[in-house]
Amino acid sequence: GQQLNQSPQSMFIQEGEDVSMNCTSSSIFNTWLWYKQDPGEGPVLLIALYKAGELTSNGRLTAQFGITRKDSFLNISASIPSDVGIYFCAGAFIQGAQKLVFGQGTRLTINP
Amino acid sequence: GAGVSQSPRYKVAKRGQDVALRCDPISGHVSLFWYQQALGQGPEFLTYFQNEAQLDKSGLPSDRFFAERPEGSVSTLKIQRTQQEDSAVYLCASSKGLAGGQETQYFGPGTRLLVL
Repeated sequence: GQQLNQSPQSMFIQEGEDVSMNCTSSSIFNTWLWYKQDPGEGPVLLIALYKAGELTSNGRLTAQFGITRKDSFLNISASIPSDVGIYFCAGAFIQGAQKLVFGQGTRLTINP
Repeated sequence: GAGVSQSPRYKVAKRGQDVALRCDPISGHVSLFWYQQALGQGPEFLTYFQNEAQLDKSGLPSDRFFAERPEGSVSTLKIQRTQQEDSAVYLCASSKGLAGGQETQYFGPGTRLLVL
C-alpha cells in the first residue's frame, strides 16, 4: 500500500541535542500529522497541521506543513530520554474522519 | 477506561485457523478505523466505519478479511484461514466523527497476531 517517504529511518543522538525528521509524498495532502509510538502501544498524536505553510509548536516539538502540501517536518529541541521511540508522519487527503497514510517511521535513540 | 481498548493483546494462530480481534472504541465516537502494522513499518489502513456503516474497505488485503460493527460501537476484525503473511499488529482507532471537523484519531494498543 501507499506510504509516505520518511527520513531518516533511525537516529542516534546525545541527550540535549536537537532532532529533525521529515516526510515527503508524491501526492498532495490536506492534513499532516505527527505521531509517536512506544513499544507495545498504539501511536499517540503529537501535532496536527491543517493548512499549507502552517508552523505549529507543542512544547519542545515544532512541525511545519510544507507549502506544496507534499511534505512536512518535525523538529524536537533539547532532547530528553523520554523522547525515545518511533515517530511517524501521516497524511490525509481531506479533513474530517478518513483514512491516514503513514510514513515508515523514524526510530529515535538517545544516549544519556 | 477512557481510551480505545483491544483484545486480545496477543494471539498466536496456526496457519489456516480463523481469528477474531475485538476493538472497543472511546464511548460516543462515531468513526472507527482498523490499520495493519507490519514489523518495522508504519500502519496501513484496512477499513473505516461511521456508526455501523462500513464506508471504506479498500485496504482489506483479501476476502479472508472481514470487519463488522453491528451496533455502531464495538467492532470485530475477522481473518479467515490465516496465513503467515497475516502476522502483524492490528490497530484500531476511533474519532468523534464530527462532520467536516478536524479529527483526531485515538489509537488502541493493538493486537499482535503471529501466524505459525
